[in-house]
Amino acid sequence: EIVLTQSPGTLSLSPGERATLSCRASQSVSRAFLAWYQQKPGQAPRLLIYGASGRATGIPDRFSGGGSETDFTLTISRLEPEDFAVYYCQQYGTSPPTFGQGIKVEIK
Amino acid sequence: QVQLQESGPGLVQPSQTLSLTCTVSGGSISSRNYYWTWIRQHPGKGLEWIGYISHSGSAHSNPSLKSRVTVSEDTTKNQFSLRLTSVTAADTAVYYCAAAVGMGFGELRSWGQGTLVTISS
Repeated sequence: EIVLTQSPGTLSLSPGERATLSCRASQSVSRAFLAWYQQKPGQAPRLLIYGASGRATGIPDRFSGGGSETDFTLTISRLEPEDFAVYYCQQYGTSPPTFGQGIKVEIK
Repeated sequence: QVQLQESGPGLVQPSQTLSLTCTVSGGSISSRNYYWTWIRQHPGKGLEWIGYISHSGSAHSNPSLKSRVTVSEDTTKNQFSLRLTSVTAADTAVYYCAAAVGMGFGELRSWGQGTLVTISS
């Protein structure tokens, strides 16, 4: 199975700062079938990005995704208070679909 | 956008079978291009893809769970279900149902709120 490794484990930033989250795959992700999700405590994850760079419905444009093959990035251009959460990447092109271990974005 | 709601027992005894149902509203589970999916999250941990049943009734599960998993559908009730046999404490988790859409196994566009299932005697 494809192993996704996210870094850093924790990102300590202030509101208004830029956040750059990394997701590295153990092998090429088929057709950029890579998604990003946001999860807040006690809530289900929410889809942010699909197809590596497509924004899901209702997601603000401060969230952007990029990358290809084995290296992917989620960027939050200016952190808002509601953006402090855990972020997961997922590949859904190869069986079984797998998730990264998550990155916690916390308030500095 | 569809809405999903999990239901089922919150406590299951070891070696027994875990059974959960997901009720879908705002759309039909027979709609094309949907993969009705189960995900779980162990306490304080990451996410694990369990399996899906497609709009056409074909099912696929995570090989790591071997033959313990069955995902099925009831189109008359607009529901799909998860059965996990021979459970152990390692199966204690929050179980989510979700609607995946698109190519590959689909991105998980809509999620239920999740239900905690504890395996304990």
